[in-house]
This record gives sequence, C-alpha cells and structure tokens, in this order.
Amino acid sequence: SAVISQKPSRDICQRGTSLTIQCQVDSQVTMMFWYRQQPGQSLTLIATANQGSEATYESGFVIDKFPISRPNLTFSTLTVSNMSPEDSSIYLCSGYTGNGYTFGSGTRLTVV
Amino acid sequence: AQTVTQSQPEMSVQEAETVTLSCTYDTSESDYYLFWYKQPPSRQMILVIRQEAYKQQNATENRFSVNFQKAAKSFSLKISDSQLGDAAMYFCAYRSRENYGGATNKLIFGTGTLLAVQP
Repeated sequence: SAVISQKPSRDICQRGTSLTIQCQVDSQVTMMFWYRQQPGQSLTLIATANQGSEATYESGFVIDKFPISRPNLTFSTLTVSNMSPEDSSIYLCSGYTGNGYTFGSGTRLTVV
Repeated sequence: AQTVTQSQPEMSVQEAETVTLSCTYDTSESDYYLFWYKQPPSRQMILVIRQEAYKQQNATENRFSVNFQKAAKSFSLKISDSQLGDAAMYFCAYRSRENYGGATNKLIFGTGTLLAVQP
C-alpha cells in the first residue's frame, strides 16, 4: 500500500504567522484529504483535494484560512494561515487509491 | 448526512481476554463501506478491518472480527486474545459506496474508543 511522508511532524508557531504542511506519497493517489484532530478526539475533515482543481471544503472551513495545493497525484500541501491559539491541533493528510486509504503520521501544531 | 457514533469513550481489557467495541451509524444509503481503524500513540492510522454493506458475511482478520447488523445500523469490533500492542484509539468510519451528491469517497469518523490492555 502507499506510504505518505508528512512534514513537519511538529512545530511551534507564533500567532499571526502561517505554516505549510507537506504530504508526499510514494505512489499516485486519486484524492487527498486533510483532517484536523484534537488530541484524543476524532478526525474532522477540512477539505478534499483533487489534482488540478480547487479543493472542496467542509462546512466551517474556508480557503482563505486553509489554502490547499495539489499540483500532482503524489503531493499536496495544507497551509494554516494567520494562526491563532485555536488552531493548535494535529493535522493529518490521507490519500485514497481506489484500493483503500493511507494516512500520514500527522503534524502537531502549537500556536503561541 | 451520515453520522457515526461510538458510545464508549474508553474501554479496558485484560491481556488474552476478549473485548467488543461498539459503533452505530445513521444513513439513508443502502450501499456503503464500514471500517475500523487503529491509531496508536504514534498517530499512524492503521486499517484493522473493512466491511462492505452488501455482504452479509461478517469480516474477519485474524484476531479481529466484526458483528455487522445492517438493519440495526450497528458495526461492533471484537478483539480476541487481546495483546498489549492492541492498546490504542479505535475509530469506526463510514464511506458511501458511490458519489452521492459529491460525497467524493470521504471517510466519516466516529468519536473513538480508547482501549487499554492490562497485563
């Protein structure tokens, strides 16, 4: 099955700044998904990203706050913009191949 | 919209014993997939087992099996001969089989059950 390398694994950022999270897959995936997860809680879908088209955002999430890039079938980025302490969370990416899902190991973001 | 509910925030089991994790879901669709994922402290999501709704036979994977009750919209996970390595957060998840109204294969996760295994 596909393997996703997600970077960075953790970061501490100042409020008002932006952080870009990268996910590199070792094979092509049809769709990429970006999730937010508070420690010990469920995964909340932020958006779905297809290659060459704008990402589809879930209710409560907007492109200006969480812009997503999907330049090809093996790579995607999520940017958390103008961060506030409320953005402190774990962010995970996931790829869908038709045979199933694979997940990155997450980025633990702390905003101070 | 589909929802997934896990009513047990935490469970504990003795090593070598059996434990059952509960999951219920709500949907108006007739064809879909259900999953159990395991998330250890490393945060890596690991697929435990998958069930296709049109299959009546319950899925099994070694020590892991499910009790799929479609009419009751219930999908419980049974772990037999529990091992220390089974300790993790377990998530039940739902996925539409087809792209209904732009569902785009996204997974809908339950709230999770934290499983502790006592030696």
